Amino acid sequence: EVHLVESGGGLVQPGGSLRLSCAASGFSFSSYWMSWVRQAPGKGLEWVANIKQDGSEKYYVDSVKGRFTISRDNAKNSLYLQMNSLRAEDTAVYYCAATLVATAGYFWGQGTLVTVSS
Amino acid sequence: SALTQPASVSGSPGQSITISCTGTSSDVGGGYNYVSWYQQHPGKAPKLMIYDVSTRPSGVSNRFSGSKSGNTASLTISGLQAEDEADYHCTSYTSSSTYVFGTGTKVTVL
Repeated sequence: EVHLVESGGGLVQPGGSLRLSCAASGFSFSSYWMSWVRQAPGKGLEWVANIKQDGSEKYYVDSVKGRFTISRDNAKNSLYLQMNSLRAEDTAVYYCAATLVATAGYFWGQGTLVTVSS
Repeated sequence: SALTQPASVSGSPGQSITISCTGTSSDVGGGYNYVSWYQQHPGKAPKLMIYDVSTRPSGVSNRFSGSKSGNTASLTISGLQAEDEADYHCTSYTSSSTYVFGTGTKVTVL
């Protein structure tokens, strides 16, 4: 059974940093594109970033470019999102997702809440 | 910019409803058929219902179907059931090699 478990969320002050992790199990992690998708409270979904199977390609939504970095460790079956210079508008539930097809996510985790507030 | 979806759609049990998702020639209307639809119940993670415009993942009911014409994609739910009441989100691959989601649609079963 596929499992994606996010961790690392919490309360952080504006301008601060946070590193999210996603532990994967139940599938061949190194064969999948991995993504981060977020959802602000009461709002729709927003694709944040994705990374190719071998880490050679990474793409970001414009609003996080230069602030967020996606990475993966295939040996540890783990995905990461380093978030710097956090803003109030980054407050959201962050989901980790995996896919073999051209979509934001075929399998999804349950999400981790990030709150940016003073 | 987010794809445009109606804020809400409703229908009675057994009826069919259609949710639209309008983008541009840089995403939905581009030369690739990479439109997906997700169902999301309150407090839950999204669930993939349709990918590649009209392909259903294993285990998804055939009451869900997808299509696309020009810059607009559509999700049709036939034989509406109470369990279909949820939020639905479309997403499309873009010419920038990124993804963009729709504004989301709340489906209410009357």
